[in-house]
Amino acid sequence: QSVMTQPPSVSGAPGQRVTISCTGSSSDLGAGYDVHWYQHLPGTAPKLLIYSNDVRASGVPDRFAASKSGSSASLVITALQADDEGDYYCQSHDPSLSVVFGGGTKLTVL
Amino acid sequence: QVRLVESGGGVVQPGKSLRLSCVASGFSFNYYEMHWVRQAPGKGPEWVALISSDGSMKLYRDSVKGRFTVTRDNGRNAVFLQMDNLRQDDMAVYYCARRGNDYYLDHWGQGALITVSS
Repeated sequence: QSVMTQPPSVSGAPGQRVTISCTGSSSDLGAGYDVHWYQHLPGTAPKLLIYSNDVRASGVPDRFAASKSGSSASLVITALQADDEGDYYCQSHDPSLSVVFGGGTKLTVL
Repeated sequence: QVRLVESGGGVVQPGKSLRLSCVASGFSFNYYEMHWVRQAPGKGPEWVALISSDGSMKLYRDSVKGRFTVTRDNGRNAVFLQMDNLRQDDMAVYYCARRGNDYYLDHWGQGALITVSS
């Protein structure tokens, strides 16, 4: 019952671009299952950001983009804004666990 | 709009029980698979359990099998998580979430905090 690997933290100044990586295994991303991304801002419910590798959820600005290749995936946030600050999680499917998450990445806007 | 509201969290002693409820509104509840996800302080989310739209299929993570039971009442638009024999490592914020078309969770509640302490 694995956890996908994300960097613990990333940071960037307003207006800059940041990338959050997510590394899976042969039982989840590497098995061909899609990756999904969530944003969790302080004091709010987690929010679906990107689903099925690269599809933005309703209302998500095009500053957020994601991709997947093999066992890895990445989320790119451009034109960084102060209210982007929070935690970001990748998620996929593992037949033995149903839903498997990454450990999370804390984004700090400097 | 879709809304999920958890309740039933609180402080409980190790070995005791607690029941979480999640009431849904804004969508046809009986069509959707529902999940429970927890997040311990400083850690990433951890999937706990799921229940199919009609309640016929239930899955649990290994560490809660035999202790947690997920049920639903489609007439009341609610899903429940009965947690027995609670341990300190069960301490977390518990979220109910709705599964979307693929294996993603497209709507989440605000969460219910479970504190396990003697």
